[in-house]
Amino acid sequence: EAQVTQNPRYLITVTGKKLTVTCSQNMNHEYMSWYRQDPGLGLRQIYYSMNVEVTDKGDVPEGYKVSRKEKRNFPLILESPSPNQTSLYFCASSLGSGDYEQYFGPGTRLTVT
Amino acid sequence: GESVGLHLPTLSVQEGDNSIINCAYSNSASDYFIWYKQESGKGPQFIIDIRSNMDKRQGQRVTVLLNKTVKHLSLQIAATQPGDSAVYFCAENTGNQFYFGTGTSLTVIP
Repeated sequence: EAQVTQNPRYLITVTGKKLTVTCSQNMNHEYMSWYRQDPGLGLRQIYYSMNVEVTDKGDVPEGYKVSRKEKRNFPLILESPSPNQTSLYFCASSLGSGDYEQYFGPGTRLTVT
Repeated sequence: GESVGLHLPTLSVQEGDNSIINCAYSNSASDYFIWYKQESGKGPQFIIDIRSNMDKRQGQRVTVLLNKTVKHLSLQIAATQPGDSAVYFCAENTGNQFYFGTGTSLTVIP
């Protein structure tokens, strides 16, 4: 089944404790992206990747890191999480530039205390 | 930054009626516009998209209209069904970045 998977689905952590949210897609998509969703703000793009080893900042990259060492994986790293990073995070992928049908993962709800 | 989607936050329609969800955008250089549907507890799901050089595009029970003069985008859902109850987002693509609106919650009344 074609899908985007994220892990974990739920995470409660404390300020400053490094964490990684994994994202994997099995569709051989070139484009991958991370979003955060907050009430009243919609989805905001954090980082995106056009292909392996190519990543770029989105609208709200501060406090986040990403890497794209393999085509299928695009982990989101919070080196020192803060409470304002409490949010619902979505990973998405699409075939590539010019194809805008993004497939979204199920989401990761992160709480930073 | 970009400004997308001065949605009405909620919309209620009777089952069987047509729904119209509206969205405004600010960047006249946007290449592409996309509508997503998000059901409770799930990730957004692609519905339909439209290129900036088009005015209208139709899918199955859905139509997207683009008015570049007033920077307005709409999604029309024909014969709305209970399964259409969800939050609908418009998004615009500029370069390789996506900007989403705040969404409209559609409730279908049986």
